[in-house]
Amino acid sequence: SQQGEEDPQALSIQEGENATMNCSYKTSINNLQWYRQNSGRGLVHLILIRSNEREKHSGRLRVTLDTSKKSSSLLITASRAADTASYFCATDAENAGNMLTFGGGTRLMVKP
Amino acid sequence: DTAVSQTPKYLVTQMGNDKSIKCEQNLGHDTMYWYKQDSKKFLKIMFSYNNKELIINETVPNRFSPKSPDKAHLNLHINSLELGDSAVYFCASSQEVWGLEQYFGPGTRLTVT
Repeated sequence: SQQGEEDPQALSIQEGENATMNCSYKTSINNLQWYRQNSGRGLVHLILIRSNEREKHSGRLRVTLDTSKKSSSLLITASRAADTASYFCATDAENAGNMLTFGGGTRLMVKP
Repeated sequence: DTAVSQTPKYLVTQMGNDKSIKCEQNLGHDTMYWYKQDSKKFLKIMFSYNNKELIINETVPNRFSPKSPDKAHLNLHINSLELGDSAVYFCASSQEVWGLEQYFGPGTRLTVT
């Protein structure tokens, strides 16, 4: 099974609304990353949060990490149609030689 | 000035054929990866190379053979293609092994008929 699993699998919102995606993982990690994948394209790194951090911001992105619950959330504020994409969390599990494993992604659609 | 490039972008072939996908990165990174993304969008690591040496082979059938002629290139050769090999294959690179940020290529959509 996947180390990281995103929730919801799909999310549809109106432009200007906030979008929240969640990621749960199973084992202890060093870092958690979020990536975006536009349709037919490769993944693009968005933000990284370390295991000793609880919250991080980058522009309209806000990431939280709760290591006690083994979960993370990605919040996109004031969404735009251009934010339409799939969003993946990736973790480097301590017991997997820090290999990066990805969840199945959340497919976000932002309607103009 | 694409950082990580792959060719071809699309590949349609019949079962039993042998095909190759090429990957090049111009970022000066030491580590390169091949990932497979299935129809449900799950992304799985296949191989990782660091400075032309294989460091990860994640239970991939030996029909898949990566080759790294230099640290800027990591090619993937697939023998005796099977229907289940149909997927999108992504090449990626990072500065270090499991570097904190990985840069992905645009993907190669392989369809086996």
